[in-house]
Amino acid sequence: KAGVTQTPRYLIKTRGQQVTLSCSPISGHRSVSWYQQTPGQGLQFLFEYFSETQRNKGNFPGRFSGRQFSNSRSEMNVSTLELGDSALYLCASGGGATYEQYFGPGTRLTVT
Amino acid sequence: QKEVEQNSGPLSVPEGAIASLNCTYSDRGSQSFFWYRQYSGKSPELIMFIYSNGDKEDGRFTAQLNKASQYVSLLIRDSQPSDSATYLCAVNRQGGSEKLVFGKGMKLTVNP
Repeated sequence: KAGVTQTPRYLIKTRGQQVTLSCSPISGHRSVSWYQQTPGQGLQFLFEYFSETQRNKGNFPGRFSGRQFSNSRSEMNVSTLELGDSALYLCASGGGATYEQYFGPGTRLTVT
Repeated sequence: QKEVEQNSGPLSVPEGAIASLNCTYSDRGSQSFFWYRQYSGKSPELIMFIYSNGDKEDGRFTAQLNKASQYVSLLIRDSQPSDSATYLCAVNRQGGSEKLVFGKGMKLTVNP
């Protein structure tokens, strides 16, 4: 079974720009969660989608948004990028009943 | 008090020794507990999960959970240099959400 895929793997943007990241979960998984990882803050929860509905949201500004499509693929968008948004953005795929989550390889975003 | 706390580390053990990693959590409603391993430059990899009090063994890994003390640990027996990585403790409250709350991680080095 294929794992979680994320595109792109690396991204360099300038302040003020916006970015869209994509995630395809493990086949059959309907839950997708997004996390931001930085050296200072560690892994922080951004949001969770299940069957195209946002089920939970972390404490991030409204510049961070996401959505999920009918095929369970998910995108997250960050508008008006700030230097502090530089991080590894991780997508996790959930199988449901057992609450286990499996991470994709991540997208490394650098904001200059 | 942080929701999930891990010893700051780093932890260094000789090859063949037992490595012990500890984690405490503050939310008594937490139901599922996970250990992830993250190699430098890579994404977290799920290595163990536990839901019930007691021990759960999988190969060289043993997860221990004590809900009364709000404590979860990971033991790695016969540590190998390939076990050198950052280990992340994560908890989930369930209740229809797969949101994970992570500790800051503990860096383990196994010396040959």
